[in-house]
Amino acid sequence: DTEVTQTPKHLVMGMTNKKSLKCEQHMGHRAMYWYKQKAKKPPELMFVYSYEKLSINESVPSRFSPECPNSSLLNLHLHALQPEDSALYLCASSQVSGGEQYFGPGTRLTVT
Amino acid sequence: AQSVSQHNHHVILSEAASLELGCNYSYGGTVNLFWYVQYPGQHLQLLLKYFSGDPLVKGIKGFEAEFIKSKFSFNLRKPSVQWSDTAEYFCAVNRPGGYQKVTFGTGTKLQVIP
Repeated sequence: DTEVTQTPKHLVMGMTNKKSLKCEQHMGHRAMYWYKQKAKKPPELMFVYSYEKLSINESVPSRFSPECPNSSLLNLHLHALQPEDSALYLCASSQVSGGEQYFGPGTRLTVT
Repeated sequence: AQSVSQHNHHVILSEAASLELGCNYSYGGTVNLFWYVQYPGQHLQLLLKYFSGDPLVKGIKGFEAEFIKSKFSFNLRKPSVQWSDTAEYFCAVNRPGGYQKVTFGTGTKLQVIP
């Protein structure tokens, strides 16, 4: 199984809401990633978790809060977002030793 | 820091035409190289990858890419495109060893006309 799943597929939220994005993989990968992709742009790395610990934070605003509760799950908690945060949020996973990353279908987020 | 350049932003081809998409990277050390494809409405999928060894790598759906170290290039090729190849293509690079940030190029939108 080389699948990364993400829920929800679409999310509309107001600027005062709190919501969470979820990502799951069962490939035994111990590195998991959050990317943000704006329309017609390449994905941009936000966070990397390795062995359930935050390893890389690409200077992401604190209104985005990642969490890795276990080796298969990755969450992204959202609070007080801005309209410019509207984008496709992609989760990916890989072996900790490196190699290719497997991407989920993404959550399309709209902030109103 | 590594960077990736894709010079073709939008390519329009007729079916059966040959394809070559350019990719150049900027990083002095050893790199892993990837081509990802994003079909309309679908998620990013790996087309092919280069870690080491034979610089000519073959991927899925008849795609291949050649790593030319002296030119810092990793161009994607396909001898005969199909309408179903219409998609966005991203070249990407990361450093070997451990979980590493993948840096993507700006992407090339390929449109194949039947």
